[in-house]
Amino acid sequence: KQEVTQIPAALSVPEGENLVLNCSFTDSAIYNLQWFRQDPGKGLTSLLLIQSSQREQTSGRLNASLDKSSGRSTLYIAASQPGDSATYLCAVLNSGYALNFGKGTSLLVTP
Amino acid sequence: GAGVSQSPSNKVTEKGKDVELRCDPISGHTALYWYRQSLGQGLEFLIYFQGNSAPDKSGLPSDRFSAERTGGSVSTLTIQRTQQEDSAVYLCASSLAGSNEKLFFGSGTQLSVL
Repeated sequence: KQEVTQIPAALSVPEGENLVLNCSFTDSAIYNLQWFRQDPGKGLTSLLLIQSSQREQTSGRLNASLDKSSGRSTLYIAASQPGDSATYLCAVLNSGYALNFGKGTSLLVTP
Repeated sequence: GAGVSQSPSNKVTEKGKDVELRCDPISGHTALYWYRQSLGQGLEFLIYFQGNSAPDKSGLPSDRFSAERTGGSVSTLTIQRTQQEDSAVYLCASSLAGSNEKLFFGSGTQLSVL
């Protein structure tokens, strides 16, 4: 059974810092990996999707990398802003249709 | 519509009552998913629809849970004889064609069973 772990569970940084969120998974036979953002009381917003054949994806200040062989992904956020404060969730797709989610990293960016 | 719409946004019910949760996916999206998010837990997959059929019901936690989708669009998740452990946020998502694509989530229905 796929297990997805996110470290750290919570993170607080001052505005302007670059930061890295980590995601690890136990079964490397994945189809894709997605990073989501969840704001309080809201649904999830997909940030980046990396297919199994890809090594990284970039969108604006966000960069996600994937190392399937080691079962790891990182989400890099450059020049963090208070508006980046949210919970970031990593999810992997193995066979079938169900994404396996980590429990998330709660990020607080202070002004 | 512009996004995935779920209703109601909040539902408080008494133990033993039945509830229906509704999801209206993005127009043209053939794939629809239901997930559950319990306090302190990760998201838990419930069911997947491709068109009107549900090839994967493996995540439904008990036979009190059922879901249907009509016209390849709106879906309803029904929980019969609700229990306190059913309290959670129920999230619906859709994607254009299948699971190897970005998922777009609704804001969820917060279900509280008293």
